[in-house]
Amino acid sequence: EVQLVESGGGLVQPGGSLRLSCAASGVTFSSYSMNWVRQAPGKGLELVSYISSSSTTIYYADSVKGRFTISRDNAKNSLYLQMNSLRDEDTAVYYCAKGGGSSGYYKFDYWGQGTLVTVSS
Amino acid sequence: QSVLTQPPSVSGAPGQRVTISCTANSSNIGAGSAVHWYRQLPGTAPKLLIYGNNNRPSGVPDRFSGSKSGTSASLAITGLQAEDEADYFCQSYDSSLSGVVFGGGTKLTVL
Repeated sequence: EVQLVESGGGLVQPGGSLRLSCAASGVTFSSYSMNWVRQAPGKGLELVSYISSSSTTIYYADSVKGRFTISRDNAKNSLYLQMNSLRDEDTAVYYCAKGGGSSGYYKFDYWGQGTLVTVSS
Repeated sequence: QSVLTQPPSVSGAPGQRVTISCTANSSNIGAGSAVHWYRQLPGTAPKLLIYGNNNRPSGVPDRFSGSKSGTSASLAITGLQAEDEADYFCQSYDSSLSGVVFGGGTKLTVL
């Protein structure tokens, strides 16, 4: 059974930093792309960042480009999101999601339970 | 504004059939892109419900079905049950944006 467990969320002041982690099990982690998807309170889903299986391809939403950094450690079956210069609008539940398929058929086939990031003074 | 447009809410009585539409506002989501659907029960993470327009992952009952025609897709739920009350999101891939796009979500209320 695939399990994704996020950690690292919390309350941070505007301008602060947080590092999210996602521990994967039950899957050959190194074979799949991974993602961070966020959901602001009462809102829809937004793909924040994508990383390919070997870290050669990385994508960031325009809203976080230059502030967030995605990375992975395949030896530790772990995904990370370093979030700097946090803003109020970054407040959301952040989900780690395993990718499946390619390009036009890309989907998120497994999701973690999410970790809440609250940016507030 | 989402690239994929969903109705904010739909409702139905137990046992009824409901459909949720997902319409692209770009011609770039067409034959080369599939639509996937996720269900998010209250207070939980989204879960893949339909993939590749009309395929169900293992464990998803056949009460749930999907279809796609051109730049529009639909999710149908038959034999509505109280536990189907949730938010439903569609997702696809926009070649012009070179990325994943989501619908704004539809809240299903079981009357």
